Formats: sequence, C-alpha cells, structure tokens
Amino acid sequence: EPEVTQTPSHQVTQMGQEVILRCVPISNHLYFYWYRQILGQKVEFLVSFYNNEISEKSEIFDDQFSVERPDGSNFTLKIRSTKLEDSAMYFCASRGGSFWGASTDTQYFGPGTRLTVL
Amino acid sequence: QQPVQSPQAVILREGEDAVINCSSSKALYSVHWYRQKHGEAPVFLMILLKGGEQKGHEKISASFNEKKQQSSLYLTASQLSYSGTYFCGTEKGEGGSEKLVFGKGTKLTVNP
Repeated sequence: EPEVTQTPSHQVTQMGQEVILRCVPISNHLYFYWYRQILGQKVEFLVSFYNNEISEKSEIFDDQFSVERPDGSNFTLKIRSTKLEDSAMYFCASRGGSFWGASTDTQYFGPGTRLTVL
Repeated sequence: QQPVQSPQAVILREGEDAVINCSSSKALYSVHWYRQKHGEAPVFLMILLKGGEQKGHEKISASFNEKKQQSSLYLTASQLSYSGTYFCGTEKGEGGSEKLVFGKGTKLTVNP
C-alpha cells in the first residue's frame, strides 16, 4: 500500500540553525500539508500546498517557515532560524483528488520527524 | 475553531464498548477520525461526509449528524490494540486543499 515517507525520523539542532524536513507524498496525490504536534498536545495545521503554491497557512507559519516542492516527488519544510518552541513532531500529509473538483478522500500522514531544538 | 472531543479519557476492559464524541460550533463538510499510538503518526480510521451517513470498519463505526455538527465514534467489543489517542479532524469546506482542524483527542486505554 502506498504511504507517505519522511526523513529524517529525528533531527536535533541548535537554536538559530536552519533545518529542512523532507517528505515524499503518495504518488499521484495533489494536495500536500504540514502539521506539527507538540508533545502531548493536538495536531496543528501549518500549511497546505496545491499546484505548486501555498493554499493556506496558519499563524504559526511565519516568515521563518517555507515550503517547496523542488521536483515531482519531494515536499520540504524549511525552518530558517529554529527556536526552542519549534521542538515538536512534524507530520507531512498528502491527499488525492482531481484537478477540477473536491476531494472526498482523507489526508494520509507520514511517520513524522521529531525536531529537537537545543 | 477546533472541535471539542469528549470524554478526554476512557479506560475499558477488553470486550467493553466506548463512544467518543466530536462536536463543532461551525458547519462541517466532513469529519475524519484517526487513532494515534504513542510516538507514531495518526492512522486514518474513517471519513464521514456531509449527508449524515454512518460508516463501519470492523468493530469500529461512526456517525455524523450534520444538523448538530456532531460526530460519534463507536468502539464495540474493544481489543487491546484499540488503545491509543483518538482524534477527530474536521473540514468546513469541500475543497481538496482544506485543512483538517483537530480536537484535543480522547485517550483510550483498554486493559486485559
């Protein structure tokens, strides 16, 4: 069964450093998302991406964050200058659908990248 | 506006039933149910679309009352493997890029 993959599984970084989290969505999916989950808390939306541009972003997704789909398969989240409060599990998700209509499918989550900022 | 889940936690013995509720103050297009085990990604259980349908998946089923903006997840004859945190994620629109807004979760513990 196709699945979303993410690398690395765990990233430790120093405050102020840049990190890039990578995701390979399910092939043929059109919609891509990043969510994060601080330990013990709920899953929070960061950004959605469709047709090579951001569809929506949350207030968490400030200028320090960016997303990119550099080729036909990868989807990346970059944090330019990490802060202690960025420590969380980051999940990538993807969803199928048509170019012209709504998707009645769910979002499939990857295994996550645990980011620890020291 | 995040959906409200209840109860926050449930402890069951194997074989018992449970109901987890998810309610929203906003009109919803769909409700998605996920189960998450500690340290793992949320795993999709089922999606309910506007229309008030009920769905089943083995001994886990769910309903969606569109008028009340409520969904319930029913777990019958619970098994040890059902332990985990259950999240409902809601969508207000039908666009493919709609985000999921998650509730705080319901922690389910099934004991032997």
